[in-house]
Amino acid sequence: QKEVEQNSGPLSVPEGAIASLNCTYSDRGSQSFFWYRQYSGKSPELIMFIYSNGDKEDGRFTAQLNKASQYVSLLIRDSQPSDSATYLCAVKSGGSQGNLIFGKGTKLSVKP
Amino acid sequence: KAGVTQTPRYLIKTRGQQVTLSCSPISGHRSVSWYQQTPGQGLQFLFEYFSETQRNKGNFPGRFSGRQFSNSRSEMNVSTLELGDSALYLCASMNSYNEQFFGPGTRLTVL
Repeated sequence: QKEVEQNSGPLSVPEGAIASLNCTYSDRGSQSFFWYRQYSGKSPELIMFIYSNGDKEDGRFTAQLNKASQYVSLLIRDSQPSDSATYLCAVKSGGSQGNLIFGKGTKLSVKP
Repeated sequence: KAGVTQTPRYLIKTRGQQVTLSCSPISGHRSVSWYQQTPGQGLQFLFEYFSETQRNKGNFPGRFSGRQFSNSRSEMNVSTLELGDSALYLCASMNSYNEQFFGPGTRLTVL
């Protein structure tokens, strides 16, 4: 059973701090990794994806991937109250035509 | 570009009935995936359609089925509804970079 694990939280950080969200996956053959944000009552929206080991930056967001450790993370710099949401890690498993497997999400709360 | 649309947004059904949900993907996207989201289980993959063919299938009973039309629009059907089928059903269309974009979802309540 291919799995994606996330700490459910809630993770609470003060406004302006760095929020660090972590995810591990079981399928060593996974090639694509995605982070989604889901506000309460809304559908998930794609924040960013990463394919290669290392860091990928997009504005205040940085995704980090370590395939050897089967670990992917998302850093949010200068966290804002509007970043308060559930963050979902998704892993594309089964090759280029495989499906996305989602973690259950980490709830982030940014306190003013 | 218009996003993914889903209809209806809300549905109330009783046990034993069947339901059909509809999804229109982003223009040009040929892949449509369906997910069930519940508080306890999170987002669970139902199936994916690509060019009118089911390409992947999750671990759901045969009561859950789907199809895709030549214009890439997709429908999913749930027959003999059970209380446990109450959930948010999400459709996502995928581009050539494997990025999936979700629609607003259909909230199904089974009484």
